[in-house]
This record gives sequence, structure tokens and C-alpha cells, in this order.
Amino acid sequence: AQSVTQPDIHITVSEGASLELRCNYSYGATPYLFWYVQSPGQGLQLLLKYFSGDTLVQGIKGFEAEFKRSQSSFNLRKPSVHWSDAAEYFCAVAVGYGNKLVFGAGTILRVKS
Amino acid sequence: NAGVTQTPKFQVLKTGQSMTLQCAQDMNHEYMSWYRQDPGMGLRLIHYSVGAGITDQGEVPNGYNVSRSTTEDFPLRLLSAAPSQTSVYFCASSPETGRVGQYFGPGTRLTVT
Repeated sequence: AQSVTQPDIHITVSEGASLELRCNYSYGATPYLFWYVQSPGQGLQLLLKYFSGDTLVQGIKGFEAEFKRSQSSFNLRKPSVHWSDAAEYFCAVAVGYGNKLVFGAGTILRVKS
Repeated sequence: NAGVTQTPKFQVLKTGQSMTLQCAQDMNHEYMSWYRQDPGMGLRLIHYSVGAGITDQGEVPNGYNVSRSTTEDFPLRLLSAAPSQTSVYFCASSPETGRVGQYFGPGTRLTVT
């Protein structure tokens, strides 16, 4: 069965430091992969997506992610974190007919000043 | 475009009551889905639709019904509310291509007492 694992439930980084959020997926076919961000009390906003081509994809708000097929990973990175990046981040894979999304459990990012 | 809209934003129900969560989109998307979000579990798919008149079950369908009479609307019905259905509910829509991800509504926070 398809699954997405985000190993880190919480991550705390200092403002200005670099960030990497981990995501591993299990899916037999070529995956369509996504990162979403959710601020407290808000809906989900798409940060970036991968479906083919260049394995390093750029998203909004200065985020990027790298697809590594050999490791079944799609880690999210940002070179310098801002206090406004504090939120919960979800990795997801689209599966089957209907573009259904299977989500990871999420990683809560805290930014300390 | 309003995108994906959901009503109500908040709802409190007593055990055994029924209600309908409304979802509408104005992007002419074929695919629509309902997810529930619970702490530490990410989002899980309840039901989805690939077009008017076509619906199917997701990962956690028990206790919920859906119908899709128009492209725009995809209501979620709770037949007899239970405390286990306390959650945040998100509606999403997408075009047929899976490459753009899903567009999410702002969510409905439901509490069942």
C-alpha cells in the first residue's frame, strides 16, 4: 500500500539557520509528490510539486525539494529560515485515479529567535 | 475566482445528530475530495469524486455519505455523529491532470459532544 513517512514530528531551528524536512514515500509507480504548508488555524497551501524531469524543484517562499528515486525520498529544504516559516509541513503523494493524496503525519516547525 | 469554499467554519453537534458539510468550487475541476485531519495523523481521505454522479470511498469512509449532482458541489453528510468524528474537515478539488496537486478549502472544525 502507498504510504508517506515524515520521521520528525517536531523540528526547532534558529532564525537564519538552514532547514531540511525529511519525507520518504512508498509507491510502485512514478510518483507525483507534493509539499504543503499549514499555518495555525488555516488551510493547506501548496509549496512545491514534483512529477518528472529535474529532480530539484523550486517552490514558493524560497523552499526547494530534491527527489531521490533510489532513496524514495523527497526532502524539503530552505537555506535560511524566517520566523514566519513556523507552521506544520505535510508531504504527500498522489495515487491512482482521482489524484487522491496520501499524506504523511506532518512535521511541526518551530523557529526560535 | 473564490476557489474552494466550505461552510460552516465551525460546528458543534451532539452525538446522534446529523448534518451536512458544504463544499463548492468554481474552477470547473472534475475531481473533488474530502479529507479529515487529526493530530499526528496528517490528512486522511474520506470520499472522493471523479465527476458529477461518480463517487467512491477513501481510507476512512464509515459514518459519512457523499453525492455529486453538479461539477461545482460536493457535500459531505454525517449520518449520526459520534465523538470519533470530532476533527477538521477539508474539501479539495483538482483538474484531471495530477500534476498540479489539489486546491484545498479553508476547513470546517467539527466538535461532537
